Amino acid sequence: QQQVKQSPQSLIVQKGGISIINCAYENTAFDYFPWYQQFPGKGPALLIAIRPDVSEKKEGRFTISFNKSAKQFSLHIMDSQPGDSATYFCAASTKGYGQNFVFGPGTRLSVLP
Amino acid sequence: DAGVTQSPTHLIKTRGQQVTLRCSPKSGHDTVSWYQQALGQGPQFIFQYYEEEERQRGNFPDRFSGHQFPNYSSELNVNALLLGDSALYLCASSLEGTGANVLTFGAGSRLTVL
Repeated sequence: QQQVKQSPQSLIVQKGGISIINCAYENTAFDYFPWYQQFPGKGPALLIAIRPDVSEKKEGRFTISFNKSAKQFSLHIMDSQPGDSATYFCAASTKGYGQNFVFGPGTRLSVLP
Repeated sequence: DAGVTQSPTHLIKTRGQQVTLRCSPKSGHDTVSWYQQALGQGPQFIFQYYEEEERQRGNFPDRFSGHQFPNYSSELNVNALLLGDSALYLCASSLEGTGANVLTFGAGSRLTVL
């Protein structure tokens, strides 16, 4: 129940295209859903996050869509650029004291020039 | 503004040995969490330290222990190393009481157990 599932495992997109990564969870106590971006040799960096009281959040080219009833959320990268090539992780945490994050297994995105 | 710094960057140990990894949190942060990231996997929560106490622990054996110092820096110790302990160990810091614990990760310590 603590698991976060993520798909696809890898994704290849042409420059200018839309990249879509999907995640699903079971634990209804999760109430914070961030996406992290990780480049080789670096730690994950927060990209964008959402709470379940909204269905969509947009920051620049990055959008999270959230479906509370389906317990699914997704990351959309518009106008994908070669510099977006990285591994993306969805994550989830519960509210309150001593939050820890459950991460998905990651999606390796390659944007071709 | 210095982010999260971890040391060493890389290290190689043999089975049965012990290792200590170090972390300095981002300036202004008071909470440190440790994660293990196996190759090709997402980070897995080991434990979290706040006010020098282990506050929460993931599904890791007692061979994994830690410490937080009064300056908020932290150490992760792993005893009796196994081959399966080979991974990237990530330290993440955050500030308690900010609603959501927004994690700032370091670049990690890459441990190889031979």
